[in-house]
Amino acid sequence: QQQVKQSPQSLIVQKGGISIINCAYENTAFDYFPWYQQFPGKGPALLIAIRPDVSEKKEGRFTISFNKSAKQFSLHIMDSQPGDSATYFCAARNSGGYQKVTFGTGTKLQVIP
Amino acid sequence: KAGVTQTPRYLIKTRGQQVTLSCSPISGHRSVSWYQQTPGQGLQFLFEYFSETQRNKGNFPGRFSGRQFSNSRSEMNVSTLELGDSALYLCASNRGEGYGYTFGSGTRLTVV
Repeated sequence: QQQVKQSPQSLIVQKGGISIINCAYENTAFDYFPWYQQFPGKGPALLIAIRPDVSEKKEGRFTISFNKSAKQFSLHIMDSQPGDSATYFCAARNSGGYQKVTFGTGTKLQVIP
Repeated sequence: KAGVTQTPRYLIKTRGQQVTLSCSPISGHRSVSWYQQTPGQGLQFLFEYFSETQRNKGNFPGRFSGRQFSNSRSEMNVSTLELGDSALYLCASNRGEGYGYTFGSGTRLTVV
């Protein structure tokens, strides 16, 4: 019940295209859903996050869509650039579990020119 | 503003040895969490400390332990190392509820 399922495992997108990564969860106690971006040799960096009382959040080219009834959320990267090539992790946290965050398995995104 | 600092960056140890990894959180962050990252298992939660107290622990054997000092710096220790402990160990700090993690660059541990 603590799992967060992420797909696809890898993704190749043309420069300028839209990258879409999907995640699903089971635990309805999760109340904070961040996305992290990780470049090789670096730790994950917080990209954008959403709470379940909001259906969409946009920051620049990055948008989270959240469907509470389906227990799904997704990351959309508009106008994808080669510099966006990285591994993306969705995650979920149950505030009742303090800071413990459950991560998805990651999506390796490659944006080709 | 300094980020989360982890030392050392790389370690090579022999099976059976023990290792201590260090993490200095962002100034003012009192919560420190540790994660193990491997290609096969992804990011697995180890434990979380807040004000020198362990608040949460993941499903790792007792060989994995940690502590936090009064200045919020944290250490994790792995005893009797096994080959399967080879991984990137990540430390993250957090300034409180409602905020995301800031991760360090990790310590790459190789057990031979």
